[in-house]
Amino acid sequence: DSGVTQTPKHLITATGQRVTLRCSPRSGDLSVYWYQQSLDQGLQFLIQYYNGEERAKGNILERFSAQQFPDLHSELNLSSLELGDSALYFCASSVAWAETYEQYFGPGTRLTVT
Amino acid sequence: GENVEQHPSTLSVQEGDSAVIKCTYSDSASNYFPWYKQELGKRPQLIIDIRSNVGEKKDQRIAVTLNKTAKHFSLHITETQPEDSAVYFCAANHLQGGSEKLVFGKGTKLTVNP
Repeated sequence: DSGVTQTPKHLITATGQRVTLRCSPRSGDLSVYWYQQSLDQGLQFLIQYYNGEERAKGNILERFSAQQFPDLHSELNLSSLELGDSALYFCASSVAWAETYEQYFGPGTRLTVT
Repeated sequence: GENVEQHPSTLSVQEGDSAVIKCTYSDSASNYFPWYKQELGKRPQLIIDIRSNVGEKKDQRIAVTLNKTAKHFSLHITETQPEDSAVYFCAANHLQGGSEKLVFGKGTKLTVNP
């Protein structure tokens, strides 16, 4: 158990819908990262927050947005869902903002868009 | 843009043999290279990392080597065991415009046959 929690574990929804994925980082960690993992793909970095502020952005679609709250938990919002958005979404946390710190991954949320 | 190539995509070895996974990266400024192991249905976990000020690092049966000139790094697993079966991801940090992110390879599925 990494100490990072994600809810829900599984999510099945229809195209065009909007969903929110939730992540709570390890106690003491200030950075939260979001990744998308599709079949046959590696881990695609989406976005990073550090202590409530957006720190780095990856290949995140405009239909996706995220935020980190004062209690440091983070939410990833996915809207106008398409079939291709079906994937495993991981949240990770680390103690500081630099990527050179070990990232601890949560168990992931499996999103299925039908 | 930044890119991390990982080879092979699948690797099958007999128990007790060695396994080698190779990665190349494109950003000459990268200075941190972690390796993550992801067992089936589980979260990625850091198994070893190396920074650019060293050429090799060992941890029991696992070692990583780095060649900064050639921009490639490799994971070596000796005396493989069935529990080493998993998908392994290499990554390199990429710095851009004051932000930093990890760029992952697409993964190597390692199967250790008893």
